[in-house]
Amino acid sequence: DQQVKQNSPSLSVQEGRISILNCDYTNSMFDYFLWYKKYPAEGPTFLISISSIKDKNEDGRFTVFLNKSAKHLSLHIVPSQPGDSAVYFCAASAVRRDDKIIFGKGTRLHILP
Amino acid sequence: EAQVTQNPRYLITVTGKKLTVTCSQNMNHEYMSWYRQDPGLGLRQIYYSMNVEVTDKGDVPEGYKVSRKEKRNFPLILESPSPNQTSLYFCASSSGRPVGDEQYFGPGTRLTVT
Repeated sequence: DQQVKQNSPSLSVQEGRISILNCDYTNSMFDYFLWYKKYPAEGPTFLISISSIKDKNEDGRFTVFLNKSAKHLSLHIVPSQPGDSAVYFCAASAVRRDDKIIFGKGTRLHILP
Repeated sequence: EAQVTQNPRYLITVTGKKLTVTCSQNMNHEYMSWYRQDPGLGLRQIYYSMNVEVTDKGDVPEGYKVSRKEKRNFPLILESPSPNQTSLYFCASSSGRPVGDEQYFGPGTRLTVT
């Protein structure tokens, strides 16, 4: 049972345009959400997070939106840059219940010149 | 430099031969975790630890053991490795709750079990 779903295995976006990566979750206990970025041959790096008490969190070019009623979150990257080409993982945890973290399968983002 | 180190980085072994992958962090982090990454399956959490002598199962703990005797170290033990444990393993740490926030990952250990 996949609790965190990233339904797009890959996404291609023109440099300078907006990249939107989507993530859906099924467990209503999740109350904290995170995005990680991973380059080949490296460990993932933390990008941005959002608590369920918010619906938006912004950090520079990166914004995460949370729609609790739809159990959906999205990561917006504006403007997209070549260095953004990577695999992006969505993750969720239920901090009031335990300290487990559930990751999605990832979306590979290609930024086209 | 703040970092999470893992050793070895690459390991080829045979079925049933016990092995340990070490993980160490120099950031005095409370939370440490092990993940495996497999094609088409993303990252899956194996075990995690909130502090010394406190460990708990993640999503895929079968076939693995961990220990947390010191805050900085969190070794992953495969008592009897099998081919389905061939994977890329990552250790990670963060400073506490909410867990996952600002989690630092090691460079990965690629394990092949024949």
